[in-house]
Amino acid sequence: DTAVSQTPKYLVTQMGNDKSIKCEQNLGHDTMYWYKQDSKKFLKIMFSYNNKELIINETVPNRFSPKSPDKAHLNLHINSLELGDSAVYFCASSQWTGGGAGANVLTFGAGSRLTVL
Amino acid sequence: KQEVTQIPAALSVPEGENLVLNCSFTDSAIYNLQWFRQDPGKGLTSLLLIQSSQREQTSGRLNASLDKSSGRSTLYIAASQPGDSATYLCAVTGAGSYQLTFGKGTKLSVIP
Repeated sequence: DTAVSQTPKYLVTQMGNDKSIKCEQNLGHDTMYWYKQDSKKFLKIMFSYNNKELIINETVPNRFSPKSPDKAHLNLHINSLELGDSAVYFCASSQWTGGGAGANVLTFGAGSRLTVL
Repeated sequence: KQEVTQIPAALSVPEGENLVLNCSFTDSAIYNLQWFRQDPGKGLTSLLLIQSSQREQTSGRLNASLDKSSGRSTLYIAASQPGDSATYLCAVTGAGSYQLTFGKGTKLSVIP
């Protein structure tokens, strides 16, 4: 039973198209994240939602829009895809610990490889 | 801005050897440091988490140390096995930001 599941696993599309990647977690966590791993293997956070509210929004083009219908789901929609959007996108979840030295242990999904042609 | 560096970028060892992976970070104001394992086509698996007040954590054949003042961590793998082949990533959680900053990883190959 997959804890954090992402769909699709692979996505190949043309420049200019709009696409979505879905993420669901069954761990009961209240915080979800989207990370991007580029060709140089750097993992960078894009967004984070806590109880359906956006708490982290890094410098990401407006073409990227996260949507959290409930705390078990965080979907990523990308408009007008560009070549530079090609990457592996990872969804993750954790239990938010608030102040102090929280555990902040993330559980990651398997990743969604997006290729823009 | 926090930067995390991992050396070496790739490492190949014969089965049975003990090995050390290195991680350094520029800002010592961290809450914790984690070591992850990434297998091709799979997600990241958290291996060990060290709180900022701790010096080391152990899990099976893995031992991670943390020297916060010098901005360094090591992951020690004892008696390596071919199944240990993967990319190992180090990540720090910034104090106050709760954001993870990842290194680029060390790709480990254990040769049978």
